[in-house]
Amino acid sequence: DAGVIQSPRHEVTEMGQEVTLRCKPISGHNSLFWYRQTMMRGLELLIYFNNNVPIDDSGMPEDRFSAKMPNASFSTLKIQPSEPRDSAVYFCASRQTGPRSQPQHFGDGTRLSIL
Amino acid sequence: KQEVTQIPAALSVPEGENLVLNCSFTDSAIYNLQWFRQDPGKGLTSLLLIQSSQREQTSGRLNASLDKSSGRSTLYIAASQPGDSATYLCAVRSSATQGGSEKLVFGKGMKLTVNP
Repeated sequence: DAGVIQSPRHEVTEMGQEVTLRCKPISGHNSLFWYRQTMMRGLELLIYFNNNVPIDDSGMPEDRFSAKMPNASFSTLKIQPSEPRDSAVYFCASRQTGPRSQPQHFGDGTRLSIL
Repeated sequence: KQEVTQIPAALSVPEGENLVLNCSFTDSAIYNLQWFRQDPGKGLTSLLLIQSSQREQTSGRLNASLDKSSGRSTLYIAASQPGDSATYLCAVRSSATQGGSEKLVFGKGMKLTVNP
């Protein structure tokens, strides 16, 4: 049973470049979450989708960040232009909503380094 | 604004000890609380989820308790093993009646090392 799949696992790029992170949620899960993890701030929710619709994007740091979910099996997080302070580990998670609470399932993350 | 705190940030113990990990939160209007484990270079794995109406949940050697009124949760690990070495995070989901959403607010985690 495949879990949440993220790509790439590692990304190193220069400041100013566009970065696109990808996520495939677990089949049947209808909520998808993007998180960012840093030593200083810990794990922070950036945005989440329910049935492919963005519900809460209050955690998106600035307009340089955008996220899309064109269908139930794919989501992207884009940073344009990237800056060194965007360096972090970005996680995608999914869960199945319903009357009974289900935990979120996390991917292994994308480690992003902006030089 | 909900804040979640985990103290201490790190703990090193010999194998076999019974452990208590602490988590505190500032707003008692929660929907549920979850404990996660994170191994180096990996994502988070859910260990236990406690609904706001529950007092505790158990899974194997793990037991999590919840005291909403005092804003505290503890994760008890019995007979610790080297394989338990990881970072443990707790996360709180706010109550829907407070306008909460699916958003989880995480503590910064506690790094546990169990020495053989």
